[in-house]
Amino acid sequence: GENVEQHPSTLSVQEGDSAVIKCTYSDSASNYFPWYKQELGKRPQLIIDIRSNVGEKKDQRIAVTLNKTAKHFSLHITETQPEDSAVYFCAAPGSARQLTFGSGTQLTVLP
Amino acid sequence: DAGVIQSPRHEVTEMGQEVTLRCKPISGHNSLFWYRQTMMRGLELLIYFNNNVPIDDSGMPEDRFSAKMPNASFSTLKIQPSEPRDSAVYFCASSEGATNEKLFFGSGTQLSVL
Repeated sequence: GENVEQHPSTLSVQEGDSAVIKCTYSDSASNYFPWYKQELGKRPQLIIDIRSNVGEKKDQRIAVTLNKTAKHFSLHITETQPEDSAVYFCAAPGSARQLTFGSGTQLTVLP
Repeated sequence: DAGVIQSPRHEVTEMGQEVTLRCKPISGHNSLFWYRQTMMRGLELLIYFNNNVPIDDSGMPEDRFSAKMPNASFSTLKIQPSEPRDSAVYFCASSEGATNEKLFFGSGTQLSVL
């Protein structure tokens, strides 16, 4: 099955700085890579996703990049704000098509 | 749409008791997923339904766990008998089509088994 590794597990940045979270996956059949944000005590919510036929996708202050050859993808958040503080999860489907989630990154944006 | 609706929000029970968690997916969504979230194991897929049919239940940990989807608007996850190690947050999620893309999660059920 798919194996998804996520780094770092915790990340602290100053407000206004950028944050980068990286994930690697094992199954070369994976073709869809979402990122979910989970605020404390809340549900995970999809914030951005990318398909394997593109290398980068942007939505305002967030972007995702994909390197299929190296089997890794990254979440980039620019101009971070306190409301960006949350746990972020990456995921990949693998050949079984069921999403395997990474272990999560606790992002803290310091004022 | 009210989104994915789960009940109860919190459940506290004693070891050995039966627990039933409920989920109403978003109207028109054909796929329904049950996930379990713990600090140690993260988000784990338990079972996945498409058009009310269980497609993949390989994540169901033991025979004590069972799930049903009698119609397109309702699903249950049952644990019988419950054990302290079942304590976790259980999320239900739904998506359009036969796909795991763009999952919409419910608010979750925080289960505590004493």
